Amino acid sequence: AQSVTQPDIHITVSEGASLELRCNYSYGATPYLFWYVQSPGQGLQLLLKYFSGDTLVQGIKGFEAEFKRSQSSFNLRKPSVHWSDAAEYFCAVGAETSYDKVIFGPGTSLSVIP
Amino acid sequence: DADVTQTPRNRITKTGKRIMLECSQTKGHDRMYWYRQDPGLGLRLIYYSFDVKDINKGEISDGYSVSRQAQAKFSLSLESAIPNQTALYFCATGTPAYNEQFFGPGTRLTVL
Repeated sequence: AQSVTQPDIHITVSEGASLELRCNYSYGATPYLFWYVQSPGQGLQLLLKYFSGDTLVQGIKGFEAEFKRSQSSFNLRKPSVHWSDAAEYFCAVGAETSYDKVIFGPGTSLSVIP
Repeated sequence: DADVTQTPRNRITKTGKRIMLECSQTKGHDRMYWYRQDPGLGLRLIYYSFDVKDINKGEISDGYSVSRQAQAKFSLSLESAIPNQTALYFCATGTPAYNEQFFGPGTRLTVL
């Protein structure tokens, strides 16, 4: 069965600093991987996704993520954080199974210090 | 206009009451989902539907029911609400390719 862990419940960074949010997954085959962002009072918005090919994927708002099969990880990065990036971030793993479900991690809450 | 809309956005109700949360979409997707979000637990799947005649239970379907009235409409009902159903509820649509999902703005439900 698929599972997702996000080791950091909450992270605080200063505006302009770099950011890395960790995500580890468990799945027996090549997974489909997603990062979503949830701003306060909003629904989830897709930041980026990995299905195959280049393991470094670019997303919206200047985010990128790297798929590392050997480490079962899909960490999200941004070189310089803006105050508007403060939000909840969810990693998710999906697979083309008969159930076609997507499993979400518990989320990482990001605070940005001006 | 939003592609996935949910009504109501906020609802306060009492234990034992019947509640319906509605979801509509203009994305033309056949797949629709209902999730609940609780702090520290992420999103958990309640029910999902791959087309109008296909309804499937998710991991936490007890106490909930759904109705797929049309391709564009998917409603979630709580037949007899209880306090531990207090949560943020999200509707989503999905593409058949890689199961990419698109979320509504959420409904915050409080059961007193």
